[in-house]
Parts: sequence; structure tokens; C-alpha cells
Amino acid sequence: EAGVVQSPRYKIIEKKQPVAFWCNPISGHNTLYWYRQNLGQGPELLIRYENEEAVDDSQLPKDRFSAERLKGVDSTLKIQPAELGDSAVYLCASSRGENTEAFFGQGTRLTVV
Amino acid sequence: QQQVKQSPQSLIVQKGGISIINCAYENTAFDYFPWYQQFPGKGPALLIAIRPDVSEKKEGRFTISFNKSAKQFSLHIMDSQPGDSATYFCAASDSGYALNFGKGTSLLVTP
Repeated sequence: EAGVVQSPRYKIIEKKQPVAFWCNPISGHNTLYWYRQNLGQGPELLIRYENEEAVDDSQLPKDRFSAERLKGVDSTLKIQPAELGDSAVYLCASSRGENTEAFFGQGTRLTVV
Repeated sequence: QQQVKQSPQSLIVQKGGISIINCAYENTAFDYFPWYQQFPGKGPALLIAIRPDVSEKKEGRFTISFNKSAKQFSLHIMDSQPGDSATYFCAASDSGYALNFGKGTSLLVTP
């Protein structure tokens, strides 16, 4: 079974530029999460999808962050414009449903300079 | 607001020793408590998880102890090995919500 696939693995951009991350969850997993992990910290939820519906986006900074999950499969997370403080690892995870094991991708390490 | 508090921040254990990491939570609605292991450059991977209807769960060298009344749970790694050196995160969630992670414990097992 293929795991959660994220791309790109690394991204370096200048501040004020846009950036997008892509995630392909495990087949059959209806729940998809985007987490942000700052250096030396635990992952923090940005948004959770149940199929194509964003059911929890309370922690997503909506002035600059957006996400979509078309057709309830792949998802993209976008930041526009990026700020220095957005430098972090962006993790995508998927699970079969509530309170079940969440499988994480390797993450995208974003550096904003 | 950190919903799950984890300690210690870092831990050094000799090979063959016992590693113990502790977590505490406040939200009594939490009903799922997993531990994740993360190696550098990788995403977190589920190690072991427990639900509040049991007080202990063991899988190989890894044991979760759960104290519902104290709202605490801990991870014990028996016979710690250098390959166990990683960052460990406790987490908690309740139905309908995503995982809340602790800040992590960096474990180093020395030969």
C-alpha cells in the first residue's frame, strides 16, 4: 500500500511570493489533514477534510492560506503571500475516519527568505 | 493553548535501559491517545495507541500506561536501543476532532 505522498520535499522562496504544496492521501482514506510543524515542536492542525468538505479550518490563517480537496482525493495547500514566519514543515496526513490511525507523509520543508 | 503537555523535552538513556515519557491533558472528552515516533526528515509514524477503557497496552518493547483519573498517560520503552533514538510525540483527540500533539521528546539512546 502506497503511503501519503507529498511534493515538493523542499521549497525555498522569497517573502511575499506564493507557494503551493500538494498531497495525495492513501487510497480509500476519506479524512485528510494538513499540519504545520515548527522546528522543535509538535504538529499543529491547519485544516481537516472529510471527503471534499473542510470540516475544521479554525486554525488556518485565512488571510494568506487556502486549501482545496477537489473530488475528495488529492489536496493542495497554498500560501500567498508567504511571510518569514511561515518557514516550517508542512505535513499532510490521512486516515479512514475519526479517531483512527493517521498516516503522515514526509512533509514539505518550506524556507522563506 | 497546549492541550497536551509532554515531558521531558529531552532524554538520554543507556542501551538496555528504560525510557519513560509522560503526558498530561485537561480535556476529559479526549478518548484516543496515540504515540508517534519521528525520525529526522520523516513524518511522524504511529507507534502505539490506547483508548481510555484500558489502563495499559503493550506492544513488544513499548507500553502505554493510562491514568484516567489523573488525566495522564506515559510511554515506556523497555530495553532501549540506539535505533530508538528519535523524537516521540504524544497526542490526544476526541470524536470528530483532529489530533492534538505534545511538543515532543527527543530521545537519545547511547551505546
